[in-house]
Amino acid sequence: EAEVAQSPRYKITEKSQAVAFWCDPISGHATLYWYRQILGQGPELLVQFQDESVVDDSQLPKDRFSAERLKGVDSTLKIQPAELGDSAMYLCASSPRGARGIQYFGAGTRLSVL
Amino acid sequence: AQTVTQSQPEMSVQEAETVTLSCTYDTSESDYYLFWYKQPPSRQMILVIRQEAYKQQNATENRFSVNFQKAAKSFSLKISDSQLGDAAMYFCAYRSEVGNEKLTFGTGTRLTIIP
Repeated sequence: EAEVAQSPRYKITEKSQAVAFWCDPISGHATLYWYRQILGQGPELLVQFQDESVVDDSQLPKDRFSAERLKGVDSTLKIQPAELGDSAMYLCASSPRGARGIQYFGAGTRLSVL
Repeated sequence: AQTVTQSQPEMSVQEAETVTLSCTYDTSESDYYLFWYKQPPSRQMILVIRQEAYKQQNATENRFSVNFQKAAKSFSLKISDSQLGDAAMYFCAYRSEVGNEKLTFGTGTRLTIIP
């Protein structure tokens, strides 16, 4: 069964360093999402792509976060510089066209900023 | 903006018993979708069940069913014959009928199954 792939699974970094997360959605899925999940809370959408275009990045802290999906397939989320408050689980999800809310999630990258 | 509230941070149930998880939401829209997603420990989140707001009939998926009360803006999940594999965080989520596919999640309920 196809899955959303994310790497790395865990990342420890020091404050002010740069970090990057990678996501490979299920083949053929046009929509890709990046969520941040702080411990004890539900996922919060950071950015949503439709193919290679950003359709929602209203909650993305653009002074330090960036995301790209250059060929409309895999995607990278970057944080530079990382801050202590960025410690969280970063989830990637994908969905096919017309999914009406059904999303397929990866296992996530747990980031710890020291 | 829509909000989703899960007032039970933790629940527990005896194996083989039935448990109900609560969810309320706030919206001014008439057409939308509601979901329950399950996040097992150290595993990816998966869809449990989906409800379209225009459907009066409550959705059912095997041992999982919902009680959708549109006027009360309530959307509870009932798990029958609870199994050890049901132990997980359960998130209620809302999606508008219009616009993009964005999901708004609640804060989750941690379900523990007691053997």
